[in-house]
Amino acid sequence: AQSVTQLDSQVPVFEEAPVELRCNYSSSVSVYLFWYVQYPNQGLQLLLKYLSGSTLVKGINGFEAEFNKSQTSFHLRKPSVHISDTAEYFCAVSEGSGSARQLTFGSGTQLTVLP
Amino acid sequence: DADVTQTPRNRITKTGKRIMLECSQTKGHDRMYWYRQDPGLGLRLIYYSFDVKDINKGEISDGYSVSRQAQAKFSLSLESAIPNQTALYFCATSGTGGDIQYFGAGTRLSVL
Repeated sequence: AQSVTQLDSQVPVFEEAPVELRCNYSSSVSVYLFWYVQYPNQGLQLLLKYLSGSTLVKGINGFEAEFNKSQTSFHLRKPSVHISDTAEYFCAVSEGSGSARQLTFGSGTQLTVLP
Repeated sequence: DADVTQTPRNRITKTGKRIMLECSQTKGHDRMYWYRQDPGLGLRLIYYSFDVKDINKGEISDGYSVSRQAQAKFSLSLESAIPNQTALYFCATSGTGGDIQYFGAGTRLSVL
């Protein structure tokens, strides 16, 4: 069974500094990988996804993530954060094939951008 | 208007009461999901439905039931609510590829 580990539950960072949110997964088969963002009092929205192809994927709001198969990681990065990036970020993994694919979420990382 | 609408947005109820959370979508998706979110635990899948006649249990289905009334509607019921069902509940939908899920704004449920 797949599992997702987000190593940091809280990440405080100053505005305009770079940030990396870490995500590791365990799976014995090929996976699809996702990052979702949840702003206060809102549902989750897709930030970026890796399905196949280039291991460096770019998402909305200047975020990017790199799929590293050997390290089973999919860390999220942004070179310069803004106050508006304050939110909770969830890594998710989809394993299986065809209609059997289901998402498994990590426990989330609260990113707080400080002025 | 939101593509995935959850009602109510907030609900307070008492132990033992029956409660229904509703979800409707205008995305035309076949697949719908119910999750609960607890602090420090992320989202956990309660039930999912791939079409009106296909309903499946998720990771934590005990104490919950669902009804897929139409392609666009998927309801979650707590037959006899208990305090540890206090959580934030999300409905989501996806197309037949099943990979990208689209979420509603959530229902915050408190069971006293």
